[in-house]
Amino acid sequence: GAVVSQHPSWVICKSGTSVKIECRSLDFQATTMFWYRQFPKQSLMLMATSNEGSKATYEQGVEKDKFLINHASLTLSTLTVTSAHPEDSSFYICSARGAGGPEVQYFGPGTRLTVT
Amino acid sequence: AQSVTQLGSHVSVSEGALVLLRCNYSSSVPPYLFWYVQYPNQGLQLLLKYTTGATLVKGINGFEAEFKKSETSFHLTKPSAHMSDAAEYFCAVTFGDSGTYKYIFGTGTRLKVLA
Repeated sequence: GAVVSQHPSWVICKSGTSVKIECRSLDFQATTMFWYRQFPKQSLMLMATSNEGSKATYEQGVEKDKFLINHASLTLSTLTVTSAHPEDSSFYICSARGAGGPEVQYFGPGTRLTVT
Repeated sequence: AQSVTQLGSHVSVSEGALVLLRCNYSSSVPPYLFWYVQYPNQGLQLLLKYTTGATLVKGINGFEAEFKKSETSFHLTKPSAHMSDAAEYFCAVTFGDSGTYKYIFGTGTRLKVLA
């Protein structure tokens, strides 16, 4: 139980284009989802917290107009990287909360974004 | 301020030897503590967690961790390392005081298992 999926698992896009990453909770309803960014050989950096039906809360330093987060249902959250640039290339990981208690997060497999 | 520290960014052990990965936290409120494992190009898999109750927590793949409040530690151990244990390990802490339960991650420890 408590499986989180992400799609796509990897994506290559050209500079200036936008790319959308989906995060789904497959067997539970996720009241809250989190988006992280991970640079090579580094830890996870929380980008934003999204609650179903409300606006996402972004961490300090994260551009909300560049990283658009939508949490339209209890099983789906999306992260759209707008006008992507090479410095946006990274590993993006989502997590979901809703099964097993408020303190537990279940992580997706991640999406590798490469901007050329 | 609340924080988590993982001592040793790289740890090497021989196959069959004891694995010890260190995690210390700083907090003024009771923490919830987690260990996650990450294999290359994959997400994080929960190994074990401490919320309340028994301070010695057993997880998957033979790992266990002990919450020691007096030492503000939550070290991860495994009696006998296996080659498949080679991965990146993250300690994480969260708190319920604000209601958000946002995670604070340690910087990670890369475990290498030598044949």
